[in-house]
Amino acid sequence: NAGVTQTPKFQVLKTGQSMTLQCAQDMNHNSMYWYRQDPGMGLRLIYYSASEGTTDKGEVPNGYNVSRLNKREFSLRLESAAPSQTSVYFCASSAPGGTSGNYRGSTDTQYFGPGTRLTVL
Amino acid sequence: AQKITQTQPGMFVQEKEAVTLDCTYDTSDQSYGLFWYKQPSSGEMIFLIYQGSYDEQNATEGRYSLNFQKARKSANLVISASQLGDSAMYFCAMREGFYNQGGKLIFGQGTELSVKP
Repeated sequence: NAGVTQTPKFQVLKTGQSMTLQCAQDMNHNSMYWYRQDPGMGLRLIYYSASEGTTDKGEVPNGYNVSRLNKREFSLRLESAAPSQTSVYFCASSAPGGTSGNYRGSTDTQYFGPGTRLTVL
Repeated sequence: AQKITQTQPGMFVQEKEAVTLDCTYDTSDQSYGLFWYKQPSSGEMIFLIYQGSYDEQNATEGRYSLNFQKARKSANLVISASQLGDSAMYFCAMREGFYNQGGKLIFGQGTELSVKP
């Protein structure tokens, strides 16, 4: 199992450009999340999807949109990138109510992808 | 509002010694979960250990244990027998609500641990 995968790993954008960050998980998890991590800080939640077909705003949703394409995939879109969106973006997934795969951890542990390092010039 | 505080920006420990990383939290919920993650210099987030608010015993996972003091709202991570590979950033995080609700995580600012040979 690959766990949580993210593409791309690195991206440089100019101010005003748009892009979509892709995330997929193969753990049959119901919930998926997008976080951003700025230098010297912990992660902050941008958007999450508790289950297929639902999405909700997190702590810092401005400037982003999301799509839960199916149970496996959750994408994050920047419509008009700004330098303040320079950050490392992490996708995560979890299985509320218990794991449904063979991964260690119990209950609703969130497992993270490798991250996307985005620079907006 | 829920909040996680890690008061130690950086710590040093000698190889093979034990180290405690502090974490305090603030919540008005009775049901919540506490997590510790490790972030090495390569950048990935690695799950270490979990403690539920109703768990009566402190969680343990190999060399990691969580010193959970509910009344003091603290959830300190203890790493025994430190290894050079333990050098990393460590994050404490909290999820409010019961585990079947798909809870969001709130992270602390992290503690950078350096293990000296």
